[in-house]
Amino acid sequence: GNSVTQMEGPVTLSEEAFLTINCTYTATGYPSLFWYVQYPGEGLQLLLKATKADDKGSNKGFEATYRKETTSFHLEKGSVQVSDSAVYFCALSDQGTGRRALTFGSGTRLQVQP
Amino acid sequence: NAGVTQTPKFQVLKTGQSMTLQCAQDMNHNSMYWYRQDPGMGLRLIYYSASEGTTDKGEVPNGYNVSRLNKREFSLRLESAAPSQTSVYFCASSEESGLGNEQFFGPGTRLTVL
Repeated sequence: GNSVTQMEGPVTLSEEAFLTINCTYTATGYPSLFWYVQYPGEGLQLLLKATKADDKGSNKGFEATYRKETTSFHLEKGSVQVSDSAVYFCALSDQGTGRRALTFGSGTRLQVQP
Repeated sequence: NAGVTQTPKFQVLKTGQSMTLQCAQDMNHNSMYWYRQDPGMGLRLIYYSASEGTTDKGEVPNGYNVSRLNKREFSLRLESAAPSQTSVYFCASSEESGLGNEQFFGPGTRLTVL
């Protein structure tokens, strides 16, 4: 079946540091890949997505590249801010399984200190 | 334009009690979903509805029932609550249930079963 594995948190960084959150996946078909962000007390919001191999998703300074050869979709940002503190979820959508929903990783909490 | 709304925001039940979680979306989306979020486990799909009049089981459907009342509303019912159902419940919707389509999430319902 499908699965998504994320690095465990929390990840604690100082403001302006470089961020990488690792995500790898297992899927039976050709998935689309997503990063969602959850701010404290809120629901999830889509951060970025990529629908095919070698696509790069980007938004708000965050980037992730769909790497089929390594089954990865690592999230990066060059300079984090305190306002980026949140929980980040990697997810996939795989039509090959017939399931019409997302499979999520366990989430990675990011804490950015001033 | 409120997006996805959920009621209630918080609920405490005793074991064996029943309740219905309400969800509504105003984006004219065809597909709606119910997830539960547990610590360290990401979000897991309980039930989904690909279109009005249809519902299907997700990964963890036991102990739950759903109703797609109309295109806007998708409710989740716990007939006899158990402590294992203590969780945060998220409703989501998307325009279509295929690949690459963004899901929009509600703010969540935090449920505690004593």
